[in-house]
Amino acid sequence: SYELTQAPSVSVSPGQTASITCSGDKLGDKYASWYQQKPGQSPVLVIYQDTNRPSGIPERFSGSNSGNTATLTISGTQAMDEADYYCQAWDSSTVVFGGGTKLTVL
Amino acid sequence: EVQLVESGGGLIQPGGSLRLSCAASGFTFSSYAMSWVRQAPGKGLEWVSLISGSGGSTYYADSVKGRFTISRDNSKNTLYLQMNSLRAADTAVYYCAKCQAQGSGAPFDYWGQGTLVTVSS
Repeated sequence: SYELTQAPSVSVSPGQTASITCSGDKLGDKYASWYQQKPGQSPVLVIYQDTNRPSGIPERFSGSNSGNTATLTISGTQAMDEADYYCQAWDSSTVVFGGGTKLTVL
Repeated sequence: EVQLVESGGGLIQPGGSLRLSCAASGFTFSSYAMSWVRQAPGKGLEWVSLISGSGGSTYYADSVKGRFTISRDNSKNTLYLQMNSLRAADTAVYYCAKCQAQGSGAPFDYWGQGTLVTVSS
């Protein structure tokens, strides 16, 4: 079965750029989405179709996807961005989530 | 405003059955695929099942295939998940999620608040 791999944790200083990666076999041939989940809350879609931001998502969130890696980039990271982030893709009519990356802003 | 409200969770013994519901509002329900995603305590997101807008196509994770059944009533704007032969490993918060499109392949643009299912004796 298809797998998406994420680093368990990433740390970033306020105002700096955070990069969260997601790896999977030929992931670049699929569309990747990203979800943000804060403690005790439901997930929120922040990037879809590799690079698109839903309405209401700040411009500091951006995405890319090529080869075997999709990347979520948060520019000018703020304390409010501290959360778990999950990548997601479709493979053979099934949905696959990455294991999640905990972003710490310190 | 899109709203998804899950219900039906609770404590159930291993081997038991439970039916979850998700009441949807704020969008044309029949035009979008819907899905169930679960999250075990302290763990990541796990996709469970998806149903197309018409209800004609359904998809399941291997972990629930043959035990869970997804369905929808477009006249009532409600999504269901019938869960049979429940196991301790099914303990999780179950989220209802709306897809961006009618069929498979689209991301989940709205999520409910979740309902907790606990399988324990």
